Amino acid sequence: GESVGLHLPTLSVQEGDNSIINCAYSNSASDYFIWYKQESGKGPQFIIDIRSNMDKRQGQRVTVLLNKTVKHLSLQIAATQPGDSAVYFCAEGDTGTASKLTFGTGTRLQVTL
Amino acid sequence: GAVVSQHPSWVICKSGTSVKIECRSLDFQATTMFWYRQFPKQSLMLMATSNEGSKATYEQGVEKDKFLINHASLTLSTLTVTSAHPEDSSFYICSAGGGQRSIFGPGTRLTVT
Repeated sequence: GESVGLHLPTLSVQEGDNSIINCAYSNSASDYFIWYKQESGKGPQFIIDIRSNMDKRQGQRVTVLLNKTVKHLSLQIAATQPGDSAVYFCAEGDTGTASKLTFGTGTRLQVTL
Repeated sequence: GAVVSQHPSWVICKSGTSVKIECRSLDFQATTMFWYRQFPKQSLMLMATSNEGSKATYEQGVEKDKFLINHASLTLSTLTVTSAHPEDSSFYICSAGGGQRSIFGPGTRLTVT
């Protein structure tokens, strides 16, 4: 089902530290997961994705971990920078080209100097 | 890379009037586009799936007669909010493609006075 949050949880991290943002997804049949970054007044920006046949995937400064047993997804950002401040959403779906995505609640990341 | 544009980026309209929002895929064709709505501090909620040349598929609870979707070409989908009311004020975001090919637009801020 859809996940709606009335108040975005906030994660405050000091510049240079690592950030870990968590997400619980709802559909055990989902086989594709994406992390998006959304800055104020803008559309979601793709960060990294992972398929259900993997449990870890690394990108530049970011790592996504998938635990299908407990339907949990996490995004790790190394050496967090002020430009990383934004709202982060996980989304689930399948790899089909016409597949709709279901978004998680979202987490606001605040990077302090 | 593939880009999706939206027009207008923001619009203010009076209660009772209708407003049309355009979603265009630039340099690529999209048989499927999606329309999302996002209220402040909340997640993206899927409203409908727009299919080129056929009727849109609406999510449960979304009034199809109020939110008219037309996908007349492979690069353009439009969302018309009819008889808009203040509660329709929101951030409307489209995406072209689906699943791992989802490309999001920058969003349209609608304010109904």
